[in-house]
Amino acid sequence: EVQLLESGGGLVQPGGSLRLSCAASGFTFSNYAMSWVRQAPGKGLEWVSIIYSGAGATYYADSVKGRFTISRDNSKNTLYLQMNSLRAEDSAVYYCAKAPRGFVDYWGQGTLVTVSS
Amino acid sequence: QLVLTQSPSASASLGASVKLTCTLSSGHSSYAIAWHQQQPEKGPRYLMKLNSDGSHNKGDGIPDRFSGSSSGAERFLTISSLQSEDEADYYCQTWGTGTVVFGGGTKLTVL
Repeated sequence: EVQLLESGGGLVQPGGSLRLSCAASGFTFSNYAMSWVRQAPGKGLEWVSIIYSGAGATYYADSVKGRFTISRDNSKNTLYLQMNSLRAEDSAVYYCAKAPRGFVDYWGQGTLVTVSS
Repeated sequence: QLVLTQSPSASASLGASVKLTCTLSSGHSSYAIAWHQQQPEKGPRYLMKLNSDGSHNKGDGIPDRFSGSSSGAERFLTISSLQSEDEADYYCQTWGTGTVVFGGGTKLTVL
């Protein structure tokens, strides 16, 4: 059974940093692209970033480019999202997603990030 | 630019069928999409991957009441024998090299 368990969310001040983690199990983690998707309160789903398998190419939404960094540790079956220079508009539930070739076929339960002073 | 367009809302009666539409932007009519369901106060759930020829692969445990079809740049999700738990937001999603796109979502109300 595929499981994706996010952690690391919380309350942070504007300009601060936070690192999210996603522990994956139930599939061969290293073989699949993984993605982060967020959802602000009352809003729709917004893609944040993707990291592919193999060479691990990374891509970002324009809204987070230069501030967020996605990475993976295949030895630990874990996906990360380092978030710097956080803004109020980054407040959202962040979902980890298994994303073979880009489409999402499994979702985590989400972790809430609140950026506020 | 790769864009997905969905109607903001839809409604249908308990036990009836409903067909939701997701439209791909011009020049992208051959793209596959995925459908996701998000029930109130829950995380999203993958329903199916839907190809341009209408073939689709459903996620684990998705009932036969959920089906997909395609016509040109339009991708459809049909839910038959509507149940109360089908009341949810439905999102379509597509992807290209280095990008992932979500539609704005359709809020389905079961009357």
